[in-house]
Amino acid sequence: GIQVEQSPPDLILQEGANSTLRCNFSDSVNNLQWFHQNPWGQLINLFYIPSGTKQNGRLSATTVATERYSLLYISSSQTTDSGVYFCAVDTGRRALTFGSGTRLQVQP
Amino acid sequence: GAVVSQHPSRVICKSGTSVKIECRSLDFQATTMFWYRQFPKQSLMLMATSNEGSKATYEQGVEKDKFLINHASLTLSTLTVTSAHPEDSSFYICSASLGGTFGSGTRLTVV
Repeated sequence: GIQVEQSPPDLILQEGANSTLRCNFSDSVNNLQWFHQNPWGQLINLFYIPSGTKQNGRLSATTVATERYSLLYISSSQTTDSGVYFCAVDTGRRALTFGSGTRLQVQP
Repeated sequence: GAVVSQHPSRVICKSGTSVKIECRSLDFQATTMFWYRQFPKQSLMLMATSNEGSKATYEQGVEKDKFLINHASLTLSTLTVTSAHPEDSSFYICSASLGGTFGSGTRLTVV
């Protein structure tokens, strides 16, 4: 099956810093999504981005499908950004294959 | 937008008992729902695909007799963990096929 790798696995930032999270995938995909999992376990969909670039406030994402990677940018980080960020891909099954996640801690 | 409701959010049960988790699509019909499991500090892993009106399909390594899935209507899928053991303690989360909308998850602790 498809392999989805995320880096870095852990990230500690000071409030106000910027960061880039990376997701590499081993095969072509129909869909790629970025999620934020909060401390209560809730998955919050950030972006649906099979290709191209999207922005939503302080967050933006870019997927280069031909090179099989996606990036999530967080600017001016806040403590509420803490949690685990997952990318997940759909290869046509509609079920998602999740990456291993990046655990982000933003310190005040 | 599409909303998936999952209950209960948290359950503690004794070893050997069964626990049922419900996943409802509130404002749309879902012919397919997915069940995932997440162990502490790990990623989400697909357990099974629930299909309305037919048998669920299970991923390799998931015991279908232990994790019973019923998808009796277009808005409800249930996961029953039968004869639960401490190693079944995990976070279970469902999603509907529409845009990857997820329920809020169920944290199961088996004591």
